[in-house]
Amino acid sequence: QVQLVQSGAEVKKPGASVKVSCRASGYTFTNYYMHWVRQAPGQGLEWMGIINPTSSSTSYAQKFQGRVTMTRDTSTSTVYMEVSSLRSEDTAVYYCAREDRGTYHLDYWGQGTLVTVSS
Amino acid sequence: QSALTQPASVSGSPGQSITISCTGTSSDIGGYNSVSWYQQHPGKAPKLMIYDVSNRPSGVSIRFSGSKSGNTASLTISGLQAEDEADYYCTSYISSGTYVFGTGTKVTVL
Repeated sequence: QVQLVQSGAEVKKPGASVKVSCRASGYTFTNYYMHWVRQAPGQGLEWMGIINPTSSSTSYAQKFQGRVTMTRDTSTSTVYMEVSSLRSEDTAVYYCAREDRGTYHLDYWGQGTLVTVSS
Repeated sequence: QSALTQPASVSGSPGQSITISCTGTSSDIGGYNSVSWYQQHPGKAPKLMIYDVSNRPSGVSIRFSGSKSGNTASLTISGLQAEDEADYYCTSYISSGTYVFGTGTKVTVL
């Protein structure tokens, strides 16, 4: 069965970086794009970006360009999302979610990773 | 890119039908048939309910349906049930591999 398993909760200080992982199983890793979406406490969903695991090409929401980096490791079927220069507003649950290439919707989601930014 | 606009809340009694709107522009909803809808219960990951404007994934109740007119997409829930109480989000492809979510709608079953 398809599973996206994310790394555990993190607590970081302002200015630090955080790297969240998302390990995929139950399907051919390179046949699906991976998106990252975040949700601040009590707020809505916010699209952050997408990575093509085959080519490692990425596309980011304008808001996150320069501060977010998405990478992948095909040997472990894992994608990573790193946010740098953290600030309190980055406190959120971060989700990975897969897209069957070119279908424009997210059919499976990870369980979410809470990142807390606090001094 | 601004978030798509949804009503903050919609409510209905069991058995009734409700409709949630999602308004964008010609650069997102109006320009592509790539609107999808997600249901999110508290503390849970979102779940895909509708894709490509009006298609239901396997396993999603036929009570959920989607449509689009111009720059506005809609999600209709028929025969409202207690389990439908959740937050709902629309999303649309924009361009160059980027996407935007709606502001979210809280559905309350009275």
